Amino acid sequence: GAVVSQHPSWVICKSGTSVKIECRSLDFQATTMFWYRQFPKQSLMLMATSNEGSKATYEQGVEKDKFLINHASLTLSTLTVTSAHPEDSSFYICSARSQSYAYEQYFGPGTRLTVT
Amino acid sequence: AQTVTQSQPEMSVQEAETVTLSCTYDTSESDYYLFWYKQPPSRQMILVIRQEAYKQQNATENRFSVNFQKAAKSFSLKISDSQLGDAAMYFCAYSGAGSYQLTFGKGTKLSVIP
Repeated sequence: GAVVSQHPSWVICKSGTSVKIECRSLDFQATTMFWYRQFPKQSLMLMATSNEGSKATYEQGVEKDKFLINHASLTLSTLTVTSAHPEDSSFYICSARSQSYAYEQYFGPGTRLTVT
Repeated sequence: AQTVTQSQPEMSVQEAETVTLSCTYDTSESDYYLFWYKQPPSRQMILVIRQEAYKQQNATENRFSVNFQKAAKSFSLKISDSQLGDAAMYFCAYSGAGSYQLTFGKGTKLSVIP
């Protein structure tokens, strides 16, 4: 069944550097992918929606220039956190919209980002 | 904007017993979809059950069932014969027809007591 992977699962970077997180749909084509942020003991907050071949749609309050999203193929979306700062430390989760049931999303295992 | 409310931050249940998690939502749409997701300590989100608003029949998946009350905008999850592996955060989620985006509640942490 539908599997979504994320890489890396955990990354530590220094303040001011950029880090890229990959989200892949392994056995299906994902025309739409979503990126969420989750703080400890909190719910998932939608950051942006990306459609293959077009610009991502960001939620209000999410900095487009800081969180760059690219969805260049039907199986890969990337989130780049540019000039990371300690406040960007969080758990980032991607999901892909199901092809068989459009309102269902398959989630990746998440990426823990720590900025020192 | 749609909102999803889970009023129980934490719940506990004895192993083999039944527990019900509450969820209410607010929407002006007539067509929408509701979900319960489970997030265990691994933090992998797992779909537990889904319900289409146009269906009157409550969804059931093995030990999991929902009580969908459309007029009351209520969508509770019942877990029967609770198992230790059911211990997790449970999130109620809403998707409006044509939106494809999920709006999550704040979650309920379920503990299962052996």
